[in-house]
Amino acid sequence: KAGVTQTPRYLIKTRGQQVTLSCSPISGHRSVSWYQQTPGQGLQFLFEYFSETQRNKGNFPGRFSGRQFSNSRSEMNVSTLELGDSALYLCASSMTGSVTNEKLFFGSGTQLSVL
Amino acid sequence: QQQVKQSPQSLIVQKGGISIINCAYENTAFDYFPWYQQFPGKGPALLIAIRPDVSEKKEGRFTISFNKSAKQFSLHIMDSQPGDSATYFCAAVNTGNQFYFGTGTSLTVIP
Repeated sequence: KAGVTQTPRYLIKTRGQQVTLSCSPISGHRSVSWYQQTPGQGLQFLFEYFSETQRNKGNFPGRFSGRQFSNSRSEMNVSTLELGDSALYLCASSMTGSVTNEKLFFGSGTQLSVL
Repeated sequence: QQQVKQSPQSLIVQKGGISIINCAYENTAFDYFPWYQQFPGKGPALLIAIRPDVSEKKEGRFTISFNKSAKQFSLHIMDSQPGDSATYFCAAVNTGNQFYFGTGTSLTVIP
């Protein structure tokens, strides 16, 4: 069974640009969540989608947005990039998002560098 | 505001020694406490998890100790091996299934 797939693996952008990251969850998983990982802050929750609906949202500005498609694939968009957006962006999937009863699986992430 | 505080930031242990990583949380709405292990270039993977109704959980060489009254929990790695060298994250999950992660501990096990 294939794991969580994130594309692209690396991205380099300049300030002010926008970027779209993609995540394909494990087959059968309907919950997809996104995290930002930086050396100083660790992992911070961005948002979670289930059945094409955003179910939870972290404390990030509106420049960060996402969506989920009917096949459970998800995209994350960051507009008007800032230097501080440089980070590893991780996607995770689970069957229903009930993470206290089921396992959360992470992808290898997309490393975004903003110059 | 960091809801889960993790220490130390880095840890060096001799092979065969015990690695101990500590976490503390503030919000009493948390009801699930997992630990994740992350190798370079990979995403985090669930290592072991505990619910607040037990004080200890052991899986192989990995043990979580949980102190509900102090709002603290820790990961103990017994007989540490070079293959355990990785970054470890503690986390706390609230009743809304939202994760709050610690800032991570980089563990190096010296042969």
